[in-house]
Amino acid sequence: GNSVTQMEGPVTLSEEAFLTINCTYTATGYPSLFWYVQYPGEGLQLLLKATKADDKGSNKGFEATYRKETTSFHLEKGSVQVSDSAVYFCALRPSNDYKLSFGAGTTVTVRA
Amino acid sequence: DAGVTQSPTHLIKTRGQHVTLRCSPISGHKSVSWYQQVLGQGPQFIFQYYEKEERGRGNFPDRFSARQFPNYSSELNVNALLLGDSALYLCASSLARGLAGGVEQYFGPGTRLTVT
Repeated sequence: GNSVTQMEGPVTLSEEAFLTINCTYTATGYPSLFWYVQYPGEGLQLLLKATKADDKGSNKGFEATYRKETTSFHLEKGSVQVSDSAVYFCALRPSNDYKLSFGAGTTVTVRA
Repeated sequence: DAGVTQSPTHLIKTRGQHVTLRCSPISGHKSVSWYQQVLGQGPQFIFQYYEKEERGRGNFPDRFSARQFPNYSSELNVNALLLGDSALYLCASSLARGLAGGVEQYFGPGTRLTVT
């Protein structure tokens, strides 16, 4: 079946530090890959996406590259801010389905 | 334009009771999906509806049911509530024109259900 495994948290960083959250997936075919962010007390917001191998999604300084050979979609940001404190979810959508499968989430806390 | 809206925001129920959660999609979106997010976990897919028809169902018992109305809003019903049903219930809408590409789902703020 389809599944997503992401780096366990929590992750605590200082402002301006480099952030990486690892995400690997299992799926048949060519799924679309997503990163969602959930701020405290809120629903999920789409952060970025990639729909085919070698695509790079980017938004708000975050980037992730769809790596078919390693079945990975790691999230990176070069310089985090306190406002980036949130829970980050990696997700996939199979090419033949509308259902999203999510990882367990990684809690990131950025300290000033 | 308004985003996905859900009601109520919070709800407290007793074991064995029934609950109805409501969702209004973004204007123009014809597809609605429901997800359950237990504290500390990622969301789990429950249902998807498109044009009032069930398109997909996750691994949830028959106590969970849903429907979509002609205006594309949706209700999620849960019967015979258990303590384990305590979770954040998320609704997402999408254009769902087809399967090609990264069809985006837009999530509402969720309904926090507590079963005591």
